Amino acid sequence: DTGVSQDPRHKITKRGQNVTFRCDPISEHNRLYWYRQTLGQGPEFLTYFQNEAQLEKSRLLSDRFSAERPKGSFSTLEIQRTEQGDSAMYLCASSPQQWLKKQFFGPGTRLTVL
Amino acid sequence: ELKVEQNPLFLSMQEGKNYTIYCNYSTTSDRLYWYRQDPGKSLESLFVLLSNGAVKQEGRLMASLDTKARLSTLHITAAVHDLSATYFCAVGTSQHYYNNNDMRFGAGTRLTVKP
Repeated sequence: DTGVSQDPRHKITKRGQNVTFRCDPISEHNRLYWYRQTLGQGPEFLTYFQNEAQLEKSRLLSDRFSAERPKGSFSTLEIQRTEQGDSAMYLCASSPQQWLKKQFFGPGTRLTVL
Repeated sequence: ELKVEQNPLFLSMQEGKNYTIYCNYSTTSDRLYWYRQDPGKSLESLFVLLSNGAVKQEGRLMASLDTKARLSTLHITAAVHDLSATYFCAVGTSQHYYNNNDMRFGAGTRLTVKP
């Protein structure tokens, strides 16, 4: 399967713990995006990468969130000191180099903070 | 601040009928996206609309964009059960196409097509 994959699919953690999610984009895609989606809402943009460079971060992203894409392939999203409000589906998407091409979404990681 | 409103939020329709989902947005934009999401699944990109008057069609779905009215529509023709899903529009307002920070999604329209 050559689609976008995410790991884990589900994560349950206690408040205050750190969590890390992984995204593997479609191999030839240079751009990688992270979104957050809460129940009954549309996704919210968090950040995106062009190759290994993080080009943009949402103004809504707190300092507890950090993302990396060290070799321009897979990416990780870490949330430190999780809060109950962090409970959501975290979606990763990738797209080719050209501007405005469709984004291909992964299955998401569902985070529950107790 | 950009606001994106979809209506209706819930839509139940019979197979074979036609219907339109509306996406209104509050500030100038020249790019609009439609996505489909099945329950418990991720998003599938349907259409990218980039200019006033743009119309795109795939199967029973047709999307259009009126940038002057700040309105996009997703028209469903002769609905079938397989179209049951949640449909999102997303609008970008940044001056530069590569800027995602100002992209906003609507709350989604949950469509159920009944036999």
